[in-house]
Amino acid sequence: GENVEQHPSTLSVQEGDSAVIKCTYSDSASNYFPWYKQELGKRPQLIIDIRSNVGEKKDQRIAVTLNKTAKHFSLHITETQPEDSAVYFCAAPDTGRRALTFGSGTRLQVQP
Amino acid sequence: GAVVSQHPSRVICKSGTSVKIECRSLDFQATTMFWYRQFPKQSLMLMATSNEGSKATYEQGVEKDKFLINHASLTLSTLTVTSAHPEDSSFYICSAPTGSTNTEAFFGQGTRLTVV
Repeated sequence: GENVEQHPSTLSVQEGDSAVIKCTYSDSASNYFPWYKQELGKRPQLIIDIRSNVGEKKDQRIAVTLNKTAKHFSLHITETQPEDSAVYFCAAPDTGRRALTFGSGTRLQVQP
Repeated sequence: GAVVSQHPSRVICKSGTSVKIECRSLDFQATTMFWYRQFPKQSLMLMATSNEGSKATYEQGVEKDKFLINHASLTLSTLTVTSAHPEDSSFYICSAPTGSTNTEAFFGQGTRLTVV
């Protein structure tokens, strides 16, 4: 099955700075890599995703990069704002079961 | 976009009782649904895969007699926590695969279960 590792577990930045969260995966057949933002007590919210046929995708202040050779992908948030504070999860599909395997999560705190 | 509705959002039950959680796909048919469990400050862990018209597939370490899954229709999957204990207190959340390769996920709202 898929194994997803995520770092760092906590990240504190000043408002306006950039934040980077990194994940590695094990299944070379995985072809879809989403990032989720989860606020306390709520469901994960998809913020951006990337497929294996591209190396980078950007949506306003959020970008994701993918290196299939190294089997890692990263989330980049620029010009961080206090409302970006949340727990972020990366994920990759277990190609056998189709369920997503999640990373351990990163608690991002943006200091005003 | 696809909508997955999960109920109840919160439930408190006494030890030894059973609790049923429902997950519905509102505007699409889901032959498969996934059930995850999330303990405080931890990640989402897959518990089981619910398959319409057949038995659920459980992950290693998940007791199938304790966590009963029924997927009787293309729009409804239920998870019943039987003989609940305080250690079963957790956030339970369902998801349905979608997208062109069926790897994208739409999540229900989640159910916060507290066993007292």
